[in-house]
Parts: sequence; C-alpha cells; structure tokens
Amino acid sequence: DARVTQTPRHKVTEMGQEVTMRCQPILGHNTVFWYRQTMMQGLELLAYFRNRAPLDDSGMPKDRFSAEMPDATLATLKIQPSEPRDSAVYFCASVLGAGVPYNEQFFGPGTRLTVL
Amino acid sequence: GESVGLHLPTLSVQEGDNSIINCAYSNSASDYFIWYKQESGKGPQFIIDIRSNMDKRQGQRVTVLLNKTVKHLSLQIAATQPGDSAVYFCAEGMIKAAGNKLTFGGGTRVLVKP
Repeated sequence: DARVTQTPRHKVTEMGQEVTMRCQPILGHNTVFWYRQTMMQGLELLAYFRNRAPLDDSGMPKDRFSAEMPDATLATLKIQPSEPRDSAVYFCASVLGAGVPYNEQFFGPGTRLTVL
Repeated sequence: GESVGLHLPTLSVQEGDNSIINCAYSNSASDYFIWYKQESGKGPQFIIDIRSNMDKRQGQRVTVLLNKTVKHLSLQIAATQPGDSAVYFCAEGMIKAAGNKLTFGGGTRVLVKP
C-alpha cells in the first residue's frame, strides 16, 4: 500500500557533523512537509514544498538547516553543522494537493536524530 | 520507536468506556480541522476531519464536534479499546491557504486500562 518512507530511521551523530534525512512521498502527492517533534515544542512545521518548489521555510533555522526536493520522489532535510539541540524526531508528510480543496497529510515513520 | 515521550495531558480511560479528548484552537479564520493519532514508534495517522460549515461529523467509533463560537474541538471515541492508547493531536488549517498547511496542537495522551 502507498506510504511515505523515511531514511534513516535512527541517526546518532556527533556535534558538528552533517546530517541528511531523506523522504520519499507517496507517488503522485505534490506537497511535502517536514516537521520536527520534540518534548518541549511538540510538532513543529519546518518547511514545505509544492511541486518541488519551497512554499514556506520560515519554521526552519536558516543558518544550519536546508530542505530540497531534487525530484518529485525525493525530499531531503540537511543539518550542517548539527548541534545537540537538534536532537528530535523528524517527520515527513505528503498530501495530494492538486485539484482538491483539502486533503489529509500522510506521515512517514520519522527519523530519530540524536546529536551528542 | 519514533515517539518522543512528550509531557502531555493524559486521559486514563477504562476499556469499553467512551473517551472525550478536547482541543482549543487559536485561529478564528481556520476552516478545516483534523484529528491525528500517534502510536508509539509511528508517525501521526489521520483519524477524522471536519470543515467549519459543520458542527459534527462521525466516523467509525469516532465523532468530532466543532464549536466555532468558543474555538473548541473535541474527539469522542466510543467503546475505547486497548489499541486506542496513543497520543492524539488536533490540527487546524485554512482550506484556501497555499500548501494545505496545518498547525498542530500539543497533544493528549490516552491510556486505556484493561
């Protein structure tokens, strides 16, 4: 069945290292979201794309985070350099946005990032 | 797993009883509301949604109620089962907003006692 996939599922790294998280949205979905979930802040929207173009990345620290969609089947979220405060679970979600007034977001299983 | 041990309000409910989870939303311009369920180790999963032109919508064992006057949303789960143990999030959005963006609430943890 169609689902959003994320890799890696777990990542442990040291402060200062680069981290890249990948997401494969559901085929045909044209809007992709990146969220971060932490104990303190709950579920925060970092950035989202429609038809591979960034719509809003105001929730993302620009100095170290970057999000891209190299193609319609891949979204990436990169942190460089990583810091301990970046430790969280990062979720990707996709939605079929074109031609429908609204639709539910389908979430991936998340990437648990630990920065030591 | 991919849950983060959030310090959340917790609702303990006996198996077989009905559960009511409440949510206050912030934006009076929001016209679309959605409930998600997040089980331990998984991403949030859609339960039910409702538009602002409705005040009640029913699904299988779940009912969402919307009170726009006081900006309040609730999720009712009938005959709660152990599999309903999870964190529940409400989210709000605007149908005409670009990109189907949602703003999520803090979540409520539901624990079902056997």
